[in-house]
Amino acid sequence: GQSLEQPSEVTAVEGAIVQINCTYQTSGFYGLSWYQQHDGGAPTFLSYNALDGLEETGRFSSFLSRSDSYGYLLLQELQMKDSASYFCAVNNQGGKLIFGQGTELSVKP
Amino acid sequence: DARVTQTPRHKVTEMGQEVTMRCQPILGHNTVFWYRQTMMQGLELLAYFRNRAPLDDSGMPKDRFSAEMPDATLATLKIQPSEPRDSAVYFCASVPGTGAGTDTQYFGPGTRLTVL
Repeated sequence: GQSLEQPSEVTAVEGAIVQINCTYQTSGFYGLSWYQQHDGGAPTFLSYNALDGLEETGRFSSFLSRSDSYGYLLLQELQMKDSASYFCAVNNQGGKLIFGQGTELSVKP
Repeated sequence: DARVTQTPRHKVTEMGQEVTMRCQPILGHNTVFWYRQTMMQGLELLAYFRNRAPLDDSGMPKDRFSAEMPDATLATLKIQPSEPRDSAVYFCASVPGTGAGTDTQYFGPGTRLTVL
């Protein structure tokens, strides 16, 4: 079967750094994506890793280790607006996304 | 500002009624996905199309759900008859290119369905 594991919730304070981990077990792996979803909104793309290593996009970075079936999303200089759910997703054959259950991030003042 | 649109945004219906949800993908995107999101199951892939042809609907309950793409600008998801357990948010997402595994998916705002 296919499965992804990520923490259900994380809490941090404004200005801090937070890391959301994701481990996966799947076949047909093309890469690992991260999506953000605010309450009541649609998932929006944040980052994608096809190869091992770190990808940086502004305050957000994403890391992948294919040998460890592991990745993480790093959010720096946290802002209140970063409070949302964050999903890791395996990019599968045919362009399908298999999503994790999501991590709810709460940013406190 | 190109966006995926979905209608209706909210739907409340009674058990046994037919429900039709519509999605207009971003112009030029040739792959369309349907997802269902619930608290218990998270985001589940129901079905997807490429160049209007159905590629995979293994995630969809076949007895009551059907998905079609009558033209490049419209995808539909129907539930007949609807049941309370179908209550969820249904998202449509479109992808440019060939969907080789690396394309970003652009999600619509979703249809929040409540079946009483």
